[in-house]
Amino acid sequence: SQQGEEDPQALSIQEGENATMNCSYKTSINNLQWYRQNSGRGLVHLILIRSNEREKHSGRLRVTLDTSKKSSSLLITASRAADTASYFCATDARDTGNQFYFGTGTSLTVIP
Amino acid sequence: KAGVTQTPRYLIKTRGQQVTLSCSPISGHRSVSWYQQTPGQGLQFLFEYFSETQRNKGNFPGRFSGRQFSNSRSEMNVSTLELGDSALYLCASSPQGSGYTFGSGTRLTVV
Repeated sequence: SQQGEEDPQALSIQEGENATMNCSYKTSINNLQWYRQNSGRGLVHLILIRSNEREKHSGRLRVTLDTSKKSSSLLITASRAADTASYFCATDARDTGNQFYFGTGTSLTVIP
Repeated sequence: KAGVTQTPRYLIKTRGQQVTLSCSPISGHRSVSWYQQTPGQGLQFLFEYFSETQRNKGNFPGRFSGRQFSNSRSEMNVSTLELGDSALYLCASSPQGSGYTFGSGTRLTVV
């Protein structure tokens, strides 16, 4: 299936450290997006990276995309307790229009 | 600007009943998508509507249906509820179909 897979499934770090999570997908995409979800709530859009982009920054977030390896990474620098959440990547395949496939998510815990 | 509004926030239904969930997208957004989130299956795409037309549909049985009105508001309906339909149902809107803004979801419990 097109579904992305995040790695690791769970990550626990100390406040101030950097957190890196990875996403792999299976087919050619138009865009890849990262979302955050606090426990049981809706998803918050973090960043969108297009297939012709390799890196994008937004505040403490840095996203890379390697289309040859069909993978992306999300780096959160100088983490804070408020960053504790689940993080999902979502991809839209070139042949399925606007149907987005979400990965299984990485659960990040930032310890104060 | 107001975000995506989903109502109700919580819902408890019994097996066999039907349910209708509502989603009001951000003003000006014409694309509305619905997702089901469960611990076991993660986030699964249900369908996407654009200008009152269903543009994409996921792999869900016919008991799951939806529609979009001329003001872009959308509803999804689940008939003959099963225990496995218990989930968080998320609605998302977008101007054209990327960079979705999600609502807080409706948590449906089927007993």
